Amino acid sequence: NAGVMQNPRHLVRRRGQEARLRCSPMKGHSHVYWYRQLPEEGLKFMVYLQKENIIDESGMPKERFSAEFPKEGPSILRIQQVVRGDSAAYFCASSPRQAQDTEAFFGQGTRLTVV
Amino acid sequence: DQQVKQNSPSLSVQEGRISILNCDYTNSMFDYFLWYKKYPAEGPTFLISISSIKDKNEDGRFTVFLNKSAKHLSLHIVPSQPGDSAVYFCAAHQRRGTYKYIFGTGTRLKVLA
Repeated sequence: NAGVMQNPRHLVRRRGQEARLRCSPMKGHSHVYWYRQLPEEGLKFMVYLQKENIIDESGMPKERFSAEFPKEGPSILRIQQVVRGDSAAYFCASSPRQAQDTEAFFGQGTRLTVV
Repeated sequence: DQQVKQNSPSLSVQEGRISILNCDYTNSMFDYFLWYKKYPAEGPTFLISISSIKDKNEDGRFTVFLNKSAKHLSLHIVPSQPGDSAVYFCAAHQRRGTYKYIFGTGTRLKVLA
């Protein structure tokens, strides 16, 4: 039973480029969460999605960031026109139902470096 | 506003002894708490959780204690092993209100052989 799969594991982008981070949830999981970890900090919630729906994006920066979880395929976190401050580890988590009742399982993360 | 705090950034313990990691929270609406372990360059791995209706939950070498009146929880690892060396994150959320986990900043545990 494969866990939460994220790719790429490492991503280097120049300032102004776009970054696309992918997350395939665990089999049977339809709830996806994205978290960001800045250096020396804890994980911060960004967005919660179910298939084809954004449920809560209150943790997403207002500009340049977007997320989707299409009917088919992985969830995508897109960062347009990246800046140095976007450098962080981005973790995706999934759960079979809302995380009220069960633990969320995390992927290994994508480490984004903006140069 | 840091609602979940782990005030000890690091902790060193001898192998075989007890490790105690602490976590404080400020939001009395939190009713579910989790501990995750994280190795470098890997994602957080779920360790153990506790509901606010309990004051203790045990799983093998890991025990979590919850003191609601003090808004404090702790993770005990007995006996500590070198493989336990990792960063431990405490997380909290409101089961009926939200699915967002609020994480602490983590405590780096080093178990010395």
